Amino acid sequence: EAGVAQSPRYKIIEKRQSVAFWCNPISGHATLYWYQQILGQGPKLLIQFQNNGVVDDSQLPKDRFSAERLKGVDSTLKIQPAKLEDSAVYLCASSLDPTGGGSYEQYFGPGTRLTVT
Amino acid sequence: SQKIEQNSEALNIQEGKTATLTCNYTNYSPAYLQWYRQDPGRGPVFLLLIRENEKEKRKERLKVTFDTTLKQSLFHITASQPADSATYLCALDKGDGGFKTIFGAGTRLFVKA
Repeated sequence: EAGVAQSPRYKIIEKRQSVAFWCNPISGHATLYWYQQILGQGPKLLIQFQNNGVVDDSQLPKDRFSAERLKGVDSTLKIQPAKLEDSAVYLCASSLDPTGGGSYEQYFGPGTRLTVT
Repeated sequence: SQKIEQNSEALNIQEGKTATLTCNYTNYSPAYLQWYRQDPGRGPVFLLLIRENEKEKRKERLKVTFDTTLKQSLFHITASQPADSATYLCALDKGDGGFKTIFGAGTRLFVKA
């Protein structure tokens, strides 16, 4: 079974530039997550999708971050404009629908390491 | 305030010994708690999930306990091996039925041969 795919793996941009990350979840997984992981910290949830609807985006800095999940499959996360403090690894994860007794186990992609200079 | 605490210092143990990692939380009432393993440059990998009505869960050399009174989970690796060296993350749900997962900062484990 193919895992969660993410691209690019690495990205270096200057502050105030824009960047976009792409994620392809495991086939059949209804729930998709985007996390930000700063060095030395645990992953912090930015946004959670159930199919193509947003379940939680309470920690997404909406003035600069946006995310979409078209047709309930692939997802993109965008930052515009980037700040120095956005330097982090951006992880995408997917899971089966956790509602109704489904699985809470999350499968993570390899992440995109973003460096903002 | 709500928080999850894991040992910030790395844990160094000798091969063959049992590693015990701690996860404490405050002001959450999670329905379940998970443990993940993360290697450098990689995404976390799911290991075990334990529910609030379970005291203990085992999987091969791994054992997890969950004490909702103490608000603590212990993660044990028996007969540890150098290949077990990694960062181990504790994760729990907020307990509000929203299925939002909160991760701890993780504990780095080093197993020496």
